[in-house]
Amino acid sequence: ETGVTQTPRHLVMGMTNKKSLKCEQHLGHNAMYWYKQSAKKPLELMFVYNFKEQTENNSVPSRFSPECPNSSHLFLHLHTLQPEDSALYLCASSQGITSSSYNEQFFGPGTRLTVL
Amino acid sequence: KQEVTQIPAALSVPEGENLVLNCSFTDSAIYNLQWFRQDPGKGLTSLLLIQSSQREQTSGRLNASLDKSSGRSTLYIAASQPGDSATYLCAVTFLYNNNDMRFGAGTRLTVKP
Repeated sequence: ETGVTQTPRHLVMGMTNKKSLKCEQHLGHNAMYWYKQSAKKPLELMFVYNFKEQTENNSVPSRFSPECPNSSHLFLHLHTLQPEDSALYLCASSQGITSSSYNEQFFGPGTRLTVL
Repeated sequence: KQEVTQIPAALSVPEGENLVLNCSFTDSAIYNLQWFRQDPGKGLTSLLLIQSSQREQTSGRLNASLDKSSGRSTLYIAASQPGDSATYLCAVTFLYNNNDMRFGAGTRLTVKP
């Protein structure tokens, strides 16, 4: 595997379900990101991790819970979601965080989430 | 408020035409600006990254320019091909919001054979 991978690619869940999205980067990067892309809205940054430490939480509801066990893996745990949470969830990584020179971000293919 | 705007929202051109996509941002204090391509239902592919100290970057048929003082960037695509059809996104990392890359809404490009 190369680059940034995400699983699953598609997910349909009910409002009472608990599920997790997984992201893995094979680029040796230190920073990882979760983004949400809703229809007809710009990408929204959700969380940033740098060296496994969360450095940014953009006022995301607590029904989204990130986890970063190491610099290569990032999870997004989902519970009690709402239909308006249906979106494409994108993971990205960069060598450093966006305040450094090495912050070109590389994206995974995304997980298309539908909440019924 | 730090915002990124892309005009036009959609563009359709015949194959072979040269074209320019526009990106504007409200605060000239930036770290860098990145152009991405997104195919329908897919993730983003990085095209070009311009640091704040640079004026332009080139990759193949693509050339991106940056004018910080006027808050503008352009993506020039030469000799467009049907395979260039995609949504092009501009993203800016602002100096005083350093973990947040702000995205424009994108320009959806269609290149007709």
